[in-house]
Amino acid sequence: RKEVEQDPGPFNVPEGATVAFNCTYSNSASQSFFWYRQDCRKEPKLLMSVYSSGNEDGRFTAQLNRASQYISLLIRDSKLSDSATYLCVVNTGFQKLVFGTGTRLLVSP
Amino acid sequence: SQTIHQWPATLVQPVGSPLSLECTVEGTSNPNLYWYRQAAGRGLQLLFYSVGIGQISSEVPQNLSASRPQDRQFILSSKKLLLSDSGFYLCAWRGQYQETQYFGPGTRLLVL
Repeated sequence: RKEVEQDPGPFNVPEGATVAFNCTYSNSASQSFFWYRQDCRKEPKLLMSVYSSGNEDGRFTAQLNRASQYISLLIRDSKLSDSATYLCVVNTGFQKLVFGTGTRLLVSP
Repeated sequence: SQTIHQWPATLVQPVGSPLSLECTVEGTSNPNLYWYRQAAGRGLQLLFYSVGIGQISSEVPQNLSASRPQDRQFILSSKKLLLSDSGFYLCAWRGQYQETQYFGPGTRLLVL
């Protein structure tokens, strides 16, 4: 079983739609969680951290469910510029982050 | 502010040739440094990380090696490249008391 699992997609949505991605992790001792965004042929960039109480940054909302060991990312009012691959990332301790393989989002006009 | 540099941006090398990729960080001291590889259509694979000068931890046995000759310099090397070494190589840093990692622009390596 992979440490971090994501649906690879692609998720094809029209502009203005709401879309949600889920991610599951296997290590119950995982300490912290993040979403990164990666554009085609570019480096990953931090989108947001995920807090236990849930957190929001503009159109983006992240949720954590420790009991079920899953993390979600909700994007409201999708923009063309949101098209990218979204990486779920888990800090399992020991100085390392574990990256999921990513969920690809395509927003169309 | 902190910045991270990688070079070269792209590289085409023949099988069996040596490799040296360099990563430097500015605007911070004593960072943790990381080398990742991302093969086409696949996730990020952690190759090496370093918590200080001369301290290297290897995650995956392979024909690559890493060195940290200076606090903010991290080098990825190979004596003889294999076809399977092709990929997108990313260097990342994080502060000692942070959890978030920040990536450099990457080096795209094609081994022919």
